[in-house]
Amino acid sequence: AQSVAQPEDQVNVAEGNPLTVKCTYSVSGNPYLFWYVQYPNRGLQFLLKYITGDNLVKGSYGFEAEFNKSQTSFHLKKPSALVSDSALYFCAVRDKNKLIFGQGTTLQVKP
Amino acid sequence: DTAVSQTPKYLVTQMGNDKSIKCEQNLGHDTMYWYKQDSKKFLKIMFSYNNKELIINETVPNRFSPKSPDKAHLNLHINSLELGDSAVYFCASSPGPTGYTFGSGTRLTVV
Repeated sequence: AQSVAQPEDQVNVAEGNPLTVKCTYSVSGNPYLFWYVQYPNRGLQFLLKYITGDNLVKGSYGFEAEFNKSQTSFHLKKPSALVSDSALYFCAVRDKNKLIFGQGTTLQVKP
Repeated sequence: DTAVSQTPKYLVTQMGNDKSIKCEQNLGHDTMYWYKQDSKKFLKIMFSYNNKELIINETVPNRFSPKSPDKAHLNLHINSLELGDSAVYFCASSPGPTGYTFGSGTRLTVV
């Protein structure tokens, strides 16, 4: 079965610094990978996805992610963090007809 | 226009009651889903319908029954509510394997 893992429960970063939220995957075949963000008391918002093609994927709000097949990773990155980026981030992989989510990583950006 | 809308947004009810959550999507997608987010924020698939046909039914108690009157609607009925059913329930839709749109969630509290 397909799975993703987010090894960090929480990531703390200072505003203006680069941020990375980690995700590793385990799949058979080519993965369809996604990042979603959940703000407090809000739904899941799509950030970006990797289906095929360029390993560097650009998404919403200045986020990007790099698909690394040899390391089976799909880390989410942003060059300069904003306080408003503070939220819960989920990595997900498509498995047959559904998404399988990682356990989520809380990002705290401090002023 | 909200792409995937759920009602109600909040639901507080007593143990033993029966309740329904409604979901509608105006994206023209063929597939709809129900996900449950537990108190630890973990997201897990419950059901999926494709064009009104049930295609995914994860290990969910029989007290939960999805119903899809047409491909734009997927409702979730829960019988004999238990304390452990307290969670946030998310509806989602997709046109295929490369995109999933989520609703804003229904926070169910069983007291």
